[in-house]
Amino acid sequence: DTGVSQNPRHKITKRGQNVTFRCDPISEHNRLYWYRQTLGQGPEFLTYFQNEAQLEKSRLLSDRFSAERPKGSFSTLEIQRTEQGDSAMYLCASSLSGTGYEQYFGPGTRLTVT
Amino acid sequence: DQQVKQNSPSLSVQEGRISILNCDYTNSMFDYFLWYKKYPAEGPTFLISISSIKDKNEDGRFTVFLNKSAKHLSLHIVPSQPGDSAVYFCAAKGNSGYALNFGKGTSLLVTP
Repeated sequence: DTGVSQNPRHKITKRGQNVTFRCDPISEHNRLYWYRQTLGQGPEFLTYFQNEAQLEKSRLLSDRFSAERPKGSFSTLEIQRTEQGDSAMYLCASSLSGTGYEQYFGPGTRLTVT
Repeated sequence: DQQVKQNSPSLSVQEGRISILNCDYTNSMFDYFLWYKKYPAEGPTFLISISSIKDKNEDGRFTVFLNKSAKHLSLHIVPSQPGDSAVYFCAAKGNSGYALNFGKGTSLLVTP
């Protein structure tokens, strides 16, 4: 399967714990995006990388959130000191510059904070 | 505030008929529009897109229409099939970045 993959698919954690999610984009896609989706809403943009550079961050990305893409391939999203309001589906997408603006999404990581 | 609005939370259509999903936007700086389909427990799947310089784009059974003056776009599915039953999201990109702004989605049910 050459699509976007995300791990883990599900994560249950207690309030105050740190969690980290991983995203592997489609091979050779140089752009990578993180979104968050809550029940009844569409995906909301969090941040975007072009290669290893983080070029855009939403105001939704509080200082408890950090994302990295160290070698321009996979990316990690870490949430520190989780809160119940962080419970959501975290979606990763990738795209290739010069081929249009379509983004291809992974299956998501569902986070539940108890 | 919601810059992309899908005002119909759900739509039911008979198999073989046309499905029309609507989307309105408020930001005149949007320059590219996309439709995604989402099944439960899966990520959104790209369906079709349109640039703001066009008013129509067609791909098989799917056609997207854009009315810039009304800040409105629609997705037509003809003929509708039961496998089209899913949540459809409208998304828009601003002209200064790559972030997509999504609507809340419309749940389409195609009945046999």
